[in-house]
Amino acid sequence: QVQLKESGPVLVQASETLSLTCTVSGFSLTNYGVIWVRQPPGKGLEWMGIIWRNGNTDYNSALKSRLSINRDTSKSQVFLKMNSLQTDDTAIYYCTRGALLDYWGQGVMVTVSS
Amino acid sequence: DIQMTQSPSVLSASVGDRVTLNCKASQNINKYLNWYQQKLGEAPKLLIYNTNNLQTGIPSRFSGSGSGTDYTLTISSLQPEDVATYFCFQHNSWPLTFGSGTKLEIK
Repeated sequence: QVQLKESGPVLVQASETLSLTCTVSGFSLTNYGVIWVRQPPGKGLEWMGIIWRNGNTDYNSALKSRLSINRDTSKSQVFLKMNSLQTDDTAIYYCTRGALLDYWGQGVMVTVSS
Repeated sequence: DIQMTQSPSVLSASVGDRVTLNCKASQNINKYLNWYQQKLGEAPKLLIYNTNNLQTGIPSRFSGSGSGTDYTLTISSLQPEDVATYFCFQHNSWPLTFGSGTKLEIK
């Protein structure tokens, strides 16, 4: 069945770089894009960026200067890197499948410490 | 950017009630509107895609409608397990945007 799972550090220092991995199963990254979404504690959802099935990427303009998304199709993994972290980047980070966001990972809570 | 405004922000209703949640886009989104349900401590779950298409496995008491800038999620008979926050999401234009959510409670 379709599954996505985020992994990465739960605590990051301010000004450092966040690196997260989304490992997928049950579908191919060459058939579906993967979108990253984040949710600050108690708040709403923010679309961060997408890596399309052809490997192209699009980013939320508010994050574009700090964000990059890449993938390794042989490992069924998608990678998020975001630099210059601040405390307001504290959030649950989710990876989701495709333009419909029809399947979601469980999310990983990342705390940015000052 | 397209702004998505959901109303009400909190809705309290009784079991068995018909409830309607609203989502208004700042411009025409051509029915590219999804609804998600998020229960406390869980990831969001897709309920409805492209305005009125029920995702596989979602109970038929959920339905969606709308066009242009105005969209609605209806629960025909509210159940206790429907307590959650509901988000709308437009995927017509970049950047993709979510509404701020409606928190649904049981009276």
